Amino acid sequence: ETGVTQTPRHLVMGMTNKKSLKCEQHLGHNAMYWYKQSAKKPLELMFVYNFKEQTENNSVPSRFSPECPNSSHLFLHLHTLQPEDSALYLCASSPTLGFASVNYGYTFGSGTRLTVV
Amino acid sequence: ELKVEQNPLFLSMQEGKNYTIYCNYSTTSDRLYWYRQDPGKSLESLFVLLSNGAVKQEGRLMASLDTKARLSTLHITAAVHDLSATYFCAVDIIETSGSRLTFGEGTQLTVNP
Repeated sequence: ETGVTQTPRHLVMGMTNKKSLKCEQHLGHNAMYWYKQSAKKPLELMFVYNFKEQTENNSVPSRFSPECPNSSHLFLHLHTLQPEDSALYLCASSPTLGFASVNYGYTFGSGTRLTVV
Repeated sequence: ELKVEQNPLFLSMQEGKNYTIYCNYSTTSDRLYWYRQDPGKSLESLFVLLSNGAVKQEGRLMASLDTKARLSTLHITAAVHDLSATYFCAVDIIETSGSRLTFGEGTQLTVNP
């Protein structure tokens, strides 16, 4: 267990379904991230939240909708997905971004393996 | 746009041999990370390199950073089967709105007995 918990670990959904991925961390971090890992492609940054505010949306289709109710929780709401959205979705967190953050680092969750049928 | 390139993408080596994985990046970076990923698992942090000339070692792995060349290397010494995994480098850029990690494509390492 890395300190970042993702649920569910595996998810199979139809293209008309609505589902949500959950990420939780109790590391005291204030920044949270969603990454997508597809086969044969580099990890792609999807969304960044800093102190609950979304600071980056990396041109992600609107069928992916993030939510960050507090610094410890991050959701990714999914609806009307396509088969090409099947991938491993990784959540990560990091400490508050500061000018003298020497011990800065990212902690990744175990991921949710999503299959869209 | 920041680009991070790793090579080789696939590496098959014999136990006991040495090899180096290279990571090139296109713009000035604040930090460089090396991660390991086993099949179906999450990313395990191996090294964080903060400055030019930084060298870190853990067991049979050694990472170095040359910020002038925008190059990091991950050197494997006397490989063992347990090192089989995919290794990613990632470059960190810190901006006023936050920070973002950009990953290389990964190097899939297979160590054969």
